Amino acid sequence: AQSVTQLGSHVSVSEGALVLLRCNYSSSVPPYLFWYVQYPNQGLQLLLKYTSAATLVKGINGFEAEFKKSETSFHLTKPSAHMSDAAEYFCAVSDDWSPGTASKLTFGTGTRLQVTL
Amino acid sequence: GAVVSQHPSRVICKSGTSVKIECRSLDFQATTMFWYRQFPKKSLMLMATSNEGSKATYEQGVEKDKFLINHASLTLSTLTVTSAHPEDSSFYICSAQTPGQRRYGYTFGSGTRLTVV
Repeated sequence: AQSVTQLGSHVSVSEGALVLLRCNYSSSVPPYLFWYVQYPNQGLQLLLKYTSAATLVKGINGFEAEFKKSETSFHLTKPSAHMSDAAEYFCAVSDDWSPGTASKLTFGTGTRLQVTL
Repeated sequence: GAVVSQHPSRVICKSGTSVKIECRSLDFQATTMFWYRQFPKKSLMLMATSNEGSKATYEQGVEKDKFLINHASLTLSTLTVTSAHPEDSSFYICSAQTPGQRRYGYTFGSGTRLTVV
């Protein structure tokens, strides 16, 4: 079974500071990895995804993540935090993505990002 | 991009009544719909997977007679919470996927906040 672990349920940074949200995965096959953001009482919005192409993935809102197989990690970063980045962030891993079948997403426990002035 | 419309966004119902939540894929055909439940400050728990025209597959521990899922068309899936009780109060989110369509990935609805009083 595939799984993800998000270290730190709560991260606080100052506005303008580096954002680093950690995600480690467990998978017996090459994984597909995702980062989602959730604002209060809303659904999930895809920030970025890794699907076995480039290991450095750039997403929306200035976020990026690097797939490191040797470390089984897919940490999310942003050089400079904005107040609007305050939200819940979820890392997720997908089963093998085969044509004709749908694969489930397994989510981490989430990290709440707080941005302070 | 792909959009999933979920309604209602909020619903309050009396204990013992049933509530229907709809998810529609607006600009693509969702052959598979996933239904998640999210408890406060918690991650998403997959409840069931529905494929158009067939019975839903429920995750272990999810009562299929309480959470009725119908996926009658390629653009509409519904979740009905039957005989709702206060413990069913939660945030429910749907996610649509078309197998093999990498450009769509997983698209989430905006969620439904159910409160049973």
